[in-house]
Amino acid sequence: AQSVAQPEDQVNVAEGNPLTVKCTYSVSGNPYLFWYVQYPNRGLQFLLKYITGDNLVKGSYGFEAEFNKSQTSFHLKKPSALVSDSALYFCAVRAPYNQGGKLIFGQGTELSVKP
Amino acid sequence: EADIYQTPRYLVIGTGKKITLECSQTMGHDKMYWYQQDPGMELHLIHYSYGVNSTEKGDLSSESTVSRIRTEHFPLTLESARPSHTSQYLCATQGQGSNQPQHFGDGTRLSIL
Repeated sequence: AQSVAQPEDQVNVAEGNPLTVKCTYSVSGNPYLFWYVQYPNRGLQFLLKYITGDNLVKGSYGFEAEFNKSQTSFHLKKPSALVSDSALYFCAVRAPYNQGGKLIFGQGTELSVKP
Repeated sequence: EADIYQTPRYLVIGTGKKITLECSQTMGHDKMYWYQQDPGMELHLIHYSYGVNSTEKGDLSSESTVSRIRTEHFPLTLESARPSHTSQYLCATQGQGSNQPQHFGDGTRLSIL
């Protein structure tokens, strides 16, 4: 069965410090991995994806994520957090195409960046 | 960038009413999805469509129904609303190719009294 886990319900970071939001996955075959952000009363906004190639992918708003196949992880990172980064973050993996290609989402991690 | 419009944004309505939540998109994407999300919580897929006249039930059992008569529209209907239907409903689309992300509308927050 395919699954995604975000082990931390909440991450607290001081502004200017680096941040990491963790994600691990379980899927048959080569995974397609995605990160989304959700601000209050809004839909999910796409940040970045890993399909193939370089394990470090860069996305919107200075975010990046590192794909680690041996640890089945895809952690989201940012070198210097902003208060405006405070939001709900979702990791997602795409199931193999023959199972419909649906996105499987983690349970979300709430990021709080304090001044 | 996909443009996805959901209406209404907010709806408060009494028990037993018939409700239709609208979702429309301007990008011509074949794949469309409905998710249910409680505040600050994970998403649950309730319906999806891979094109006109295609609809499938998602992973979470839902009393709602959907239709896909036109590529642009993917409305969700509750025949008789109940308080347990109170939630946020998010619509999403996806372009061609399994490496494409889903794009989301801003959602409808539904409250059933």
